[in-house]
Amino acid sequence: DVQLLESGGGLVHPGGSLRLSCVASTFSFTTYAMSWVRRAPGEGLEWVSSITNTAGNTYYATSVRGRFTISRDNAKKTLYLQLNSLGVEDTAVYYCAKHLEGVTSGSGLDIWGQGTMVTVSS
Amino acid sequence: SYVLTQPPSVSVAPGETATISCGGDNIGSKTVYWYHQKSGQAPVLVVAYDSERRSGMRFSGSNSGNTATLTISRVEAGDEADYYCQVWDSSRDLVVFGGGTELTVL
Repeated sequence: DVQLLESGGGLVHPGGSLRLSCVASTFSFTTYAMSWVRRAPGEGLEWVSSITNTAGNTYYATSVRGRFTISRDNAKKTLYLQLNSLGVEDTAVYYCAKHLEGVTSGSGLDIWGQGTMVTVSS
Repeated sequence: SYVLTQPPSVSVAPGETATISCGGDNIGSKTVYWYHQKSGQAPVLVVAYDSERRSGMRFSGSNSGNTATLTISRVEAGDEADYYCQVWDSSRDLVVFGGGTELTVL
């Protein structure tokens, strides 16, 4: 089965940093765009960031632009999300997800990881 | 920013048909995706490209004008979940999710 496995979540103090990773298996990672989506407790899904298949373009939600950085290593089949200047509002389960296409425009998310929990608390 | 509006909750009896709406300005000109997320699980894509049914699922979609609709046939208890619509906002290069609809099977 196609799989995505996230790691790197945990408890961090406000203002701290974390780096999330997502390792892909069984599909051609270099072919597809990838995204991070989060779900805070009691809230709905919130898109965080996307990156095209070649990493030529990156996109960010307004709420995280300037604080989070998405990247990918196609040789390692790994997607990353660097989270800086974290606030309590960033507490959520973070999912990585594979797009149906190499670009993000008009493309949905067909495969999702199980998520990694990020808790920001003092 | 582009906003997608969903009803917070929908209730339906087993065996009946459930419909969930997703409203947005001229959403018919965009490509809509639908997901469900059961408690404690990851989201699952159920309808792609407005109306493409994912294999083995009783879900269908339509999209026209200012409303996209997800239809679930022969609803089962196992269909209880949160349902989300999603589009790409090309004017701002953003992925946009609706607020989500909680489906309750009576």
